[in-house]
Amino acid sequence: EAGVVQSPRYKIIEKKQPVAFWCNPISGHNTLYWYRQNLGQGPELLIRYENEEAVDDSQLPKDRFSAERLKGVDSTLKIQPAELGDSAVYLCASSLGGDAETQYFGPGTRLLVL
Amino acid sequence: AQRVTQPEKLLSVFKGAPVELKCNYSYSGSPELFWYVQYSRQRLQLLLRHISRESIKGFTADLNKGETSFHLKKPFAQEEDSAMYYCALSNTGNQFYFGTGTSLTVIP
Repeated sequence: EAGVVQSPRYKIIEKKQPVAFWCNPISGHNTLYWYRQNLGQGPELLIRYENEEAVDDSQLPKDRFSAERLKGVDSTLKIQPAELGDSAVYLCASSLGGDAETQYFGPGTRLLVL
Repeated sequence: AQRVTQPEKLLSVFKGAPVELKCNYSYSGSPELFWYVQYSRQRLQLLLRHISRESIKGFTADLNKGETSFHLKKPFAQEEDSAMYYCALSNTGNQFYFGTGTSLTVIP
């Protein structure tokens, strides 16, 4: 099994440009997470989905970030417009669901905003 | 507010020596605690969780509610243990909080 798939793996854009990241979770995993990891820091949760419902988006900067998981499977995270401070690794993870289930992480998308 | 603190950013030990990676947390409820590991050029993966009370790759971690700690220990470090280790907490709302990580280097 491929595990959690993310694309692209790397992205370089100029500030004020839009960018989108895609994630395909492990088949059968109902819960999907998006994290942002800044250099030298641990992952920080941006949003969590239970199936197609965003159940926790309290840490998502809603003025420029948006996410969707329309059919409860794959998900897209968008930034528009990007700022220099958005340079980070964006991680997607999935789990079966339920309380404190093990999360399986994707390889991440490394974003550099110039 | 929930917080996970890993006081050591870098830790070096010699092969065969004991190793302890510290993790302290702040949470007023009953947390679920985890250790995740990231080996070089690999993705982040679960090492162990306190609820399982098992030893993985020789590592153990005991939840000490009195000291609000969940330190990771191994009696004899191996070179393949060199990696980045993250302590994480899940609260009753299933929200996850990660520490800043400790980079462990095992010296041959």
